Amino acid sequence: DTGVSQDPRHKITKRGQNVTFRCDPISEHNRLYWYRQTLGQGPEFLTYFQNEAQLEKSRLLSDRFSAERPKGSFSTLEIQRTEQGDSAMYLCASSLGWTEETQYFGPGTRLLVL
Amino acid sequence: AQKVTQAQTEISVVEKEDVTLDCVYETRDTTYYLFWYKQPPSGELVFLIRRNSFDEQNEISGRYSWNFQKSTSSFNFTITASQVVDSAVYFCALRGRGSTLGRLYFGRGTQLTVWP
Repeated sequence: DTGVSQDPRHKITKRGQNVTFRCDPISEHNRLYWYRQTLGQGPEFLTYFQNEAQLEKSRLLSDRFSAERPKGSFSTLEIQRTEQGDSAMYLCASSLGWTEETQYFGPGTRLLVL
Repeated sequence: AQKVTQAQTEISVVEKEDVTLDCVYETRDTTYYLFWYKQPPSGELVFLIRRNSFDEQNEISGRYSWNFQKSTSSFNFTITASQVVDSAVYFCALRGRGSTLGRLYFGRGTQLTVWP
């Protein structure tokens, strides 16, 4: 049983550059979530998809952030014109949906913006 | 509004001691779900338990037990006979059934250190 996978695991970039992260959910999970976690804090919700539809976005998701799930399988999270405040762990989770509310998390992508 | 409070930032115990991690939540939803996750140093959040609001039975799983009390809006987690491998950050989380469908609200976490 393959869990949620994320790529890359670590990313170092310079301020102003664009970065893209990928998340592959557990097979047949139709819901996919993105969270951001900064040091010493709990994860904060960014957005989530049911199949390919993006159903909810947090106020944290500024215009520089965009997420897609084009075929209802994997998802990408892009950050344009990165800022030092974007440095965080970006976590992806998936769940089966209404019949199973538990979200299972991937290992995360740790972003450092210099 | 949904909110989770974990007042204990850090707890240190010696191996074999029992330890309880506190979680207090706020929600206006009549149906909701509570979760505990473990985050070891590797960073991945590991699911431990889910509890539905209409099920107030306490649960025990090996050395882990959970005490859910709606009257005090608490969902506390106890580790019996702690081990070094229990060292991690533990998060309590809440998911409502209102307008914010899907999202989990996390507390700030409790860093547990178990010394040998």
